[in-house]
Amino acid sequence: DTAVSQTPKYLVTQMGNDKSIKCEQNLGHDTMYWYKQDSKKFLKIMFSYNNKELIINETVPNRFSPKSPDKAHLNLHINSLELGDSAVYFCASSQVASGGLDTQYFGPGTRLTVL
Amino acid sequence: AQSVSQHNHHVILSEAASLELGCNYSYGGTVNLFWYVQYPGQHLQLLLKYFSGDPLVKGIKGFEAEFIKSKFSFNLRKPSVQWSDTAEYFCAVKRRSGNTGKLIFGQGTTLQVKP
Repeated sequence: DTAVSQTPKYLVTQMGNDKSIKCEQNLGHDTMYWYKQDSKKFLKIMFSYNNKELIINETVPNRFSPKSPDKAHLNLHINSLELGDSAVYFCASSQVASGGLDTQYFGPGTRLTVL
Repeated sequence: AQSVSQHNHHVILSEAASLELGCNYSYGGTVNLFWYVQYPGQHLQLLLKYFSGDPLVKGIKGFEAEFIKSKFSFNLRKPSVQWSDTAEYFCAVKRRSGNTGKLIFGQGTTLQVKP
């Protein structure tokens, strides 16, 4: 059973296109996240949603729009793709308990290549 | 701003050698500390975590880490590495307060174990 799943695993597209990445977690967690891993393997948070409410938005261009239809899903839509968007995007989830004693579990990643 | 620094970017060891990867963070408040591992082509997996209590924590696959509060450090250790430990290792820190779940990652350390 996959705890945090993402689709697609690979995404190759042309500049200017619009694409979406889907994420689902079956852990019953209340918070989901999107991270971007660049070519130097540096990981940085982009967004997080708690119970479908946006709680972190880390100065990401507004071409990126997360959508959370329910607390088990967090999708990432990217408009007008640029070369610099090429990266691996990881979804994660956690149960943000009181005192912040939560652990994030990561999905397999989506490797996005913009040509 | 909160930051996490991993001192070793690329470590090459022979099998059976001992491993220590450094991690320092800059935040004066209470934090949760994590080490994640990313095997080639795979997603991040949790190695171990520290929330409170005994500052020496044991994780999976024989890894351990020691939290030294006075040094703002959380170094990862393994007495004897194996070829299968070849991977990228990430230290991550989360502020206990605020409850946003935001993880700050270090730059990562590439570990290459020679058979």
